[in-house]
Amino acid sequence: EVQLLESGGGLVQPGGSLRLSCAASGFTFSVYAMSWVRQAPGKGLEWVAAIGGGADVKHYLDSVKGRFTISRDISKNTLYLQMNNLRVEDTAFYYCAMSLRGYGDYGAWGPGTLVAVSS
Amino acid sequence: EIVLTQSPATLSLSPGEGATLSCRASESVSGYLAWYQQKPGQAPRLLIHDTSNRATGIPARFSGSGSGTDFTLTISSLEPEDFAVYYCHQRATWPLTFGGGTKVEIQ
Repeated sequence: EVQLLESGGGLVQPGGSLRLSCAASGFTFSVYAMSWVRQAPGKGLEWVAAIGGGADVKHYLDSVKGRFTISRDISKNTLYLQMNNLRVEDTAFYYCAMSLRGYGDYGAWGPGTLVAVSS
Repeated sequence: EIVLTQSPATLSLSPGEGATLSCRASESVSGYLAWYQQKPGQAPRLLIHDTSNRATGIPARFSGSGSGTDFTLTISSLEPEDFAVYYCHQRATWPLTFGGGTKVEIQ
C-alpha cells in the first residue's frame, strides 16, 4: 500500500524558514515524480513544485521560485521542501503527492501538514 | 498559465440525482485533464485521469468526457458519500494548475 506522510509544518514568522519532509513507502520511490501541492484554509488547491524520479528535473510555481527548493533522498525514500523567506500568503496545508504518470495525475497524497506564517 | 474555470461553484442536489460538473480551460490541455474529489479534513482523491479514465477503485457512476478546452465530470446517481468538493487539474503545461472547485452539496 502506498503511504505518504508529511512532517515539519508549524508556525513561523514572515521571513523565516521551514523544511517539510514527506516519508514515502509502498512503492519504488525513485520511479515516480513527486510534487508539493498546497491549500490555504478554506481555499482551493495550488501546485507548488515538482521533481522527477531521478531528481534531475524540477519545476516551481513562479511565486515560490528562488525561495523554495524541492529535493528527494532516494536512500531515505523521502521528499523535501525547503521554504525560505516565507510570506503570510504561503500559509496553507502542504500535501506531498505521487504522480502516477508523467507529472500530475496524483494517485496518492499524504494527509498534509500545516504551515502558518504570521507575526 | 492555463486557467481552469469550473462551473457551477455550488451544485445542490439530492441523493439519487445525477450531477454534471464543468471545467473549461483557457487553452487546449491535449486531454491531460484529471478530476479529484475532496472531503472536509481529507486530502484529495484522484477520480479520473486523462479526461475519461477512471482511477483504480473508482465506481462506474463517475465518468469523464471532453476534449480541447471543455471537460465534464458526470456522476450518474449521487450516493451520500459523493457530497464533496470536486477539482479539475491539467498537466499539459507548466505551471500545473487546478480549477477553483465545485461543491456538490445536499439539497
